[in-house]
Amino acid sequence: GQQVMQIPQYQHVQEGEDFTTYCNSSTTLSNIQWYKQRPGGHPVFLIQLVKSGEVKKQKRLTFQFGEAKKNSSLHITATQTTDVGTYFCADQGAQKLVFGQGTRLTINP
Amino acid sequence: GAGVSQSPRYKVAKRGQDVALRCDPISGHVSLFWYQQALGQGPEFLTYFQNEAQLDKSGLPSDRFFAERPEGSVSTLKIQRTQQEDSAVYLCASSLGDTQYFGPGTRLLVL
Repeated sequence: GQQVMQIPQYQHVQEGEDFTTYCNSSTTLSNIQWYKQRPGGHPVFLIQLVKSGEVKKQKRLTFQFGEAKKNSSLHITATQTTDVGTYFCADQGAQKLVFGQGTRLTINP
Repeated sequence: GAGVSQSPRYKVAKRGQDVALRCDPISGHVSLFWYQQALGQGPEFLTYFQNEAQLDKSGLPSDRFFAERPEGSVSTLKIQRTQQEDSAVYLCASSLGDTQYFGPGTRLLVL
């Protein structure tokens, strides 16, 4: 079935450094959604990308969808301690979400 | 309510015991999903309802898992004869459109 690969699995940065997580699939993705899960919390929707080559920004977060719709990325500029958590990409096909393994971000203040 | 609620938040079961997990979706949300999240992993789809109809149950790992949503609102996920590998967080999500809103989850530990 559909598999969504996400790298890296872990990322530790100093506060103020940038952070990027990548999402890849061997097959064409339908819609990509990004979620954030704080430690001990539940996934919270961040954004949805639908179109090939789409780029969306939310303050310090930049989301991209690849031209071939087989990859996506989330980039955070100048991380803050509030960015700590696990970031998941998920392919939305036929209603259900197929999640990547997530990238766990920790930050040294 | 303001969001999706789930109960119980924590459940410890002895192997072989049956458990029932409840989900109260956001009022008016047509779609309801159940996911299983193992430690350190992403959520994995179990089943999906549109109103009271179970449209996709392809993710249920075995016939020990059963879900229902009889009146198109509250849903129950039942696991019969629990096994240790069933230990996980069970997340419920509801939606009106593309965005899924997750509940806090039920953490199930099978001893």
